[in-house]
Amino acid sequence: QSVLTQPPSASGTPEQRVTISCSGSSSNIGSNYVNWYQQLPGTAPKLLIYNNNLRPSGVPDRFSGSKSGTSASLAISGLQSDDEADYYCAAWDGGLNGYVFGTGTKVTVL
Amino acid sequence: QVQLQESGPGLVRPSETLSLTCSVSGDSLSVYYWSWIRQSPGKGLEWIGYSHYSGSTNYNPSLKSRVTVSLDTSSNQFSLKLTSVTAADTAVYYCARGSQTTIFRPSGQSKTYYFDYWGRGALVTVSS
Repeated sequence: QSVLTQPPSASGTPEQRVTISCSGSSSNIGSNYVNWYQQLPGTAPKLLIYNNNLRPSGVPDRFSGSKSGTSASLAISGLQSDDEADYYCAAWDGGLNGYVFGTGTKVTVL
Repeated sequence: QVQLQESGPGLVRPSETLSLTCSVSGDSLSVYYWSWIRQSPGKGLEWIGYSHYSGSTNYNPSLKSRVTVSLDTSSNQFSLKLTSVTAADTAVYYCARGSQTTIFRPSGQSKTYYFDYWGRGALVTVSS
């Protein structure tokens, strides 16, 4: 049972902007940094955003992250067919003393 | 270029011990938090735990009684052992390199922990 809640799905047409939400609590998102992972079909997850809004080298600036209170968001601008994937938020949870992932959101490009 | 590769049996009998090894190239085990994550078929990601060179370990509370993650610096590998497995432990198991930092502020502390390199994953099926 994940403690971070995401919408099951999101979609958009090419070049549109899509936003994915991640809802948590004071013990995880509210007090620690949020990360986002992209999992393309049949592959291992890939770090997309770390420390709320930083992009690892090689990640396009079309991907951006933000955090406010106990919620976080991932925005994908200029949506491309290659962006079809599952996206997971994650954060350290001080109450559980462990790392928790979100429920995951499947992004579809229409 | 950092690379991780999981290896181990793809089939484990119920009640037995699941054992996986992660071989690391392009990096040393003496830094970072070497971690395991799993994903049940068609489901989301679940953090299993980590081991650090300092001797520090931390495990998912729901698995803590059955899990051990250990480092072998001589071979630059780390391992996962999960005891008393059931069908619910059937999953793709990923090893990953974890970075963790705690930032102290007057208002409290914030922790960042994320995985920047992952293995391709190893499917382990628990079945008789």
